[in-house]
Amino acid sequence: ILNVEQSPQSLHVQEGDSTNFTCSFPSSNFYALHWYRWETAKSPEALFVMTLNGDEKKKGRISATLNTKEGYSYLYIKGSQPEDSATYLCALEYGNKLVFGAGTILRVKS
Amino acid sequence: DSGVTQTPKHLITATGQRVTLRCSPRSGDLSVYWYQQSLDQGLQFLIQYYNGEERAKGNILERFSAQQFPDLHSELNLSSLELGDSALYFCASSVPGRPAQFFGPGTRLTVL
Repeated sequence: ILNVEQSPQSLHVQEGDSTNFTCSFPSSNFYALHWYRWETAKSPEALFVMTLNGDEKKKGRISATLNTKEGYSYLYIKGSQPEDSATYLCALEYGNKLVFGAGTILRVKS
Repeated sequence: DSGVTQTPKHLITATGQRVTLRCSPRSGDLSVYWYQQSLDQGLQFLIQYYNGEERAKGNILERFSAQQFPDLHSELNLSSLELGDSALYFCASSVPGRPAQFFGPGTRLTVL
C-alpha cells in the first residue's frame, strides 16, 4: 500500500493570503489522486479527482496540480477566506480503495 | 448534505458488546465504502460493496463484518468490542464509473 504524506500538518494564514499545501507519494502506481475538504463536525467533501494524465483542476479560488514524475500534488487556495478553514485530505485511489493521508489543517484568521 | 445517511449518529456501548451501524447510499449509487477514523490515525478504508457483493477489503478486523442488502443499504457489524474500536465510522457511496466518493455524516462509536 502506498504511503501518502501531506505537509504541512497545519497552517494558519490571514484572510486574503494565498496558500498551498502538498501531497506526496513514492510512486505513481495508482489510478487517481483525490482531494477532499473536511470541515469540523461535517463529513469529507470531494474537491477534485485527478487522473494520471495530470491536468490542472480548478474550482473557484481552489486549484490543484499533479506531478506524477516528481511524486506530488499541490492544492492552492487563492485569497483565503475564513470559510476555507478545514482539513484538506489527499487520497490515492488504487484497486477499489482510497488510501488517505493524514491531512493538512488550515485555519484562516479574519 | 451529501445524500448519504448514517444511523445512529452516536453510540456508546461497553467492551465485549456488539453493535450495528447502518448506511443508506445516495439514490443511484451502487457502491458503498466503510472507513474508520480513530483519534491517532487518518481515515482507514475498511471494506467496499458493489451492488450487494464485496469488492475490496482493507484493514478490517475479523471481529468486524459488513453486508449490502438488495435495497443497497449497508450495515457494518462490530463485535467483541474493545476500547480501541472507539472511532468515527464513515460510510461513503459512489456512482458506477465515477471515482468521487460522497461521505455520510458518520457514526461516533464510544466503547467504555
